[in-house]
Amino acid sequence: GAVVSQHPSRVICKSGTSVKIECRSLDFQATTMFWYRQFPKKSLMLMATSNEGSKATYEQGVEKDKFLINHASLTLSTLTVTSAHPEDSSFYICSANPLRGGAYEQYFGPGTRLTVT
Amino acid sequence: TQLLEQSPQFLSIQEGENLTVYCNSSSVFSSLQWYRQEPGEGPVLLVTVVTGGEVKKLKRLTFQFGDARKDSSLHITAAQPGDTGLYLCAGVGVANFGNEKLTFGTGTRLTIIP
Repeated sequence: GAVVSQHPSRVICKSGTSVKIECRSLDFQATTMFWYRQFPKKSLMLMATSNEGSKATYEQGVEKDKFLINHASLTLSTLTVTSAHPEDSSFYICSANPLRGGAYEQYFGPGTRLTVT
Repeated sequence: TQLLEQSPQFLSIQEGENLTVYCNSSSVFSSLQWYRQEPGEGPVLLVTVVTGGEVKKLKRLTFQFGDARKDSSLHITAAQPGDTGLYLCAGVGVANFGNEKLTFGTGTRLTIIP
């Protein structure tokens, strides 16, 4: 199967600090990874598309300077929440699209619960 | 903007009953997926449907893609407590084909009572 991991699974940070979340595809390569945000009892909201070796594409309303994305290799994408505030507290989920895959193959990580105090 | 509306939003039924969850849009999708998500975890892919009118079965779950590829349904027969979770449909829009961007539905929270 296609396994995607995220680290950390939970993080608590103080307001004003930055937090980095890693997303790794463990047994496949992914040119494209996606970052989602999910509020309690709500669906997933796409934040940005992360492309290996190029700049991420952000969805409308998502601040690119606030949510820094780096896709340094075919198996790793990172999301850094800069100068975090309590309203950034959320469940962040990444997904990856295998190189071999068609337009509909996306595998999701287990998510990272961010709490900003 | 492509929107996927799911209904019902919440559903609580007794073990052994049947249920259907609907996923509707005014947009056409090149493919549509169904996921189940449990609290504190990422979504797990259940099925992908691609062809209009396609029906796929996964044990007690039956998935159908509408003829016009604008809607889909998930039917569960003889529901079990293990079916409890958040069910999400997600589609790749025709305009997005090739860039793999998924639009997620609003979600259906299903609770099966033992």
